[in-house]
Amino acid sequence: AQKVTQAQTEISVVEKEDVTLDCVYETRDTTYYLFWYKQPPSGELVFLIRRNSFDEQNEISGRYSWNFQKSTSSFNFTITASQVVDSAVYFCALSGGDTGFQKLVFGTGTRLLVSP
Amino acid sequence: DVKVTQSSRYLVKRTGEKVFLECVQDMDHENMFWYRQDPGLGLRLIYFSYDVKMKEKGDIPEGYSVSREKKERFSLILESASTNQTSMYLCASSPGTRTDTQYFGPGTRLTVL
Repeated sequence: AQKVTQAQTEISVVEKEDVTLDCVYETRDTTYYLFWYKQPPSGELVFLIRRNSFDEQNEISGRYSWNFQKSTSSFNFTITASQVVDSAVYFCALSGGDTGFQKLVFGTGTRLLVSP
Repeated sequence: DVKVTQSSRYLVKRTGEKVFLECVQDMDHENMFWYRQDPGLGLRLIYFSYDVKMKEKGDIPEGYSVSREKKERFSLILESASTNQTSMYLCASSPGTRTDTQYFGPGTRLTVL
């Protein structure tokens, strides 16, 4: 069975601090995909990134960076110099399977509060 | 840009009512999904559809049904709403292959009194 664990329920930081959101996954599949979504107070889930299991290169996009480590089954998300607009719930998700239709399995989310 | 819209942002219904939640996507996506989101539980898949008139049960289909008569529209139906179906409902779509990224609508917050 597939599982995604986001152990941090809520994180509070002050603007300009760096913050890392943890994501640990479990799967027996050799081919799988990992995702991060952001859910601002408006409610809509916004897609941030997708990585496949064969690409362990770290990714940087502006203030966002992602660290994928298969050895520890982790796909952590770091926001550098956080801003108030980063306040949201962040979800890590996994889809996998060498055959058949792939469904997304979500973690329970981490609420990030960035105060001025 | 992918556009997924849901018919209502907020909805209040009474126990026993039949409730329809509508979702429309404008990107000719093959796959559509309905999730519910509850505090501490994340998102859970209710039903999905990979083609017109096709549907598959997700992880929590009990108490729900779906309809997909046209490619762009996927409806979630609560035959007889109950208070434990008070939740945020999110619709998503994805292009065509089984590994594609899902894109979400704004959500409908349903309250059943």
